[in-house]
Amino acid sequence: NAGVTQTPKFRVLKTGQSMTLLCAQDMNHEYMYWYRQDPGMGLRLIHYSVGEGTTAKGEVPDGYNVSRLKKQNFLLGLESAAPSQTSVYFCASSYPDRYEQYFGPGTRLTVT
Amino acid sequence: AQSVSQHNHHVILSEAASLELGCNYSYGGTVNLFWYVQYPGQHLQLLLKYFSGDPLVKGIKGFEAEFIKSKFSFNLRKPSVQWSDTAEYFCAVRSSGGYQKVTFGTGTKLQVIP
Repeated sequence: NAGVTQTPKFRVLKTGQSMTLLCAQDMNHEYMYWYRQDPGMGLRLIHYSVGEGTTAKGEVPDGYNVSRLKKQNFLLGLESAAPSQTSVYFCASSYPDRYEQYFGPGTRLTVT
Repeated sequence: AQSVSQHNHHVILSEAASLELGCNYSYGGTVNLFWYVQYPGQHLQLLLKYFSGDPLVKGIKGFEAEFIKSKFSFNLRKPSVQWSDTAEYFCAVRSSGGYQKVTFGTGTKLQVIP
């Protein structure tokens, strides 16, 4: 039981490049989330999904897109990376009735 | 909209000192409350949670938190900290009823000096 896994762990992008972050969970959770963590700002919700095939915007969705084609996977895409997107990205998942979230190990992204 | 305030941004304690980290939320209805911990270089882990019942909640590693509805608070406590408690602590709140996202506070960094 791996829990929540994220790929890649580290990435450096140049401004304007694109990339996709992959999140996978093996706990059969309905809900999945993408957060970014920045110093002094805590965790901010980018996008979330309440089930396969559904996604919704969080607090800071601009510049990101997501897809949930399979229940166990939640992808976060950056179409044209900007230095402001330098951050640590965390994926999380949860059951719908408990809301305690299980987090992945994070992806440290640097955009130069 | 719900919000969470953690007033202590950085706390430094000596080992064996007592700890209390403040957390206040703004939402008038029924809430679910959480404390998460992030050890250096690791991902967030659930420390404890409050859904209903006894407002004094006990979590892992000797931590506890008290839900005081009248004060909109959910402070985290530990009677005697250890060096291994050095971490960042996040309070989070969710309004119950239907789907409502969880809102996290900005975190408190705790440094325990041996």
